[in-house]
Amino acid sequence: GQNIDQPTEMTATEGAIVQINCTYQTSGFNGLFWYQQHAGEAPTFLSYNVLDGLEEKGRFSSFLSRSKGYSYLLLKELQMKDSASYLCAVMDSNYQLIWGAGTKLIIKP
Amino acid sequence: DTAVSQTPKYLVTQMGNDKSIKCEQNLGHDTMYWYKQDSKKFLKIMFSYNNKELIINETVPNRFSPKSPDKAHLNLHINSLELGDSAVYFCASSQDATGESVETQYFGPGTRLLVL
Repeated sequence: GQNIDQPTEMTATEGAIVQINCTYQTSGFNGLFWYQQHAGEAPTFLSYNVLDGLEEKGRFSSFLSRSKGYSYLLLKELQMKDSASYLCAVMDSNYQLIWGAGTKLIIKP
Repeated sequence: DTAVSQTPKYLVTQMGNDKSIKCEQNLGHDTMYWYKQDSKKFLKIMFSYNNKELIINETVPNRFSPKSPDKAHLNLHINSLELGDSAVYFCASSQDATGESVETQYFGPGTRLLVL
């Protein structure tokens, strides 16, 4: 079956760095997405990786290793507004998105 | 301007009722989707429409029926609502016109359905 695993919850301190991991097993791979979802709101697109390596976008970076079925989202200089759930999703060989349950990130002052 | 909009935002109803949720996108996208997000926060694809044709139909009960009057709208009609239908329903859209390419999906604000 297809499976996306990410930690349920993480806590970090304002101004610090946090890494949210995602491992996946899917039927085929057409890229991995990270979305941010604030409580009670819609998921919003953060990043897309299809090749191995690190993609940097401001305070957020996303890394992919296809051979390991692994990705992480790195958030730097954490701000209180970064408190949200972070969803990992993989596009499989049928171009369908398979979603993880999300990691709830709690930022403390 | 809202890119993907849904109405209503909240929907509270009794078991057995029939209800509809509306979705509109003004992004000019070719594909629209309906997702269900349950209490465990998993997003599960229910349907997608491409140029007014159903291209994904996951194993959802036939009480759920998507209706697309045009490319910019995909409504979700639910018959004989059950307690287990309580969830947040998200509409989304993407540029993809073929179902065979990678395109970012953009989500609406969600409809919180509570069946009593």
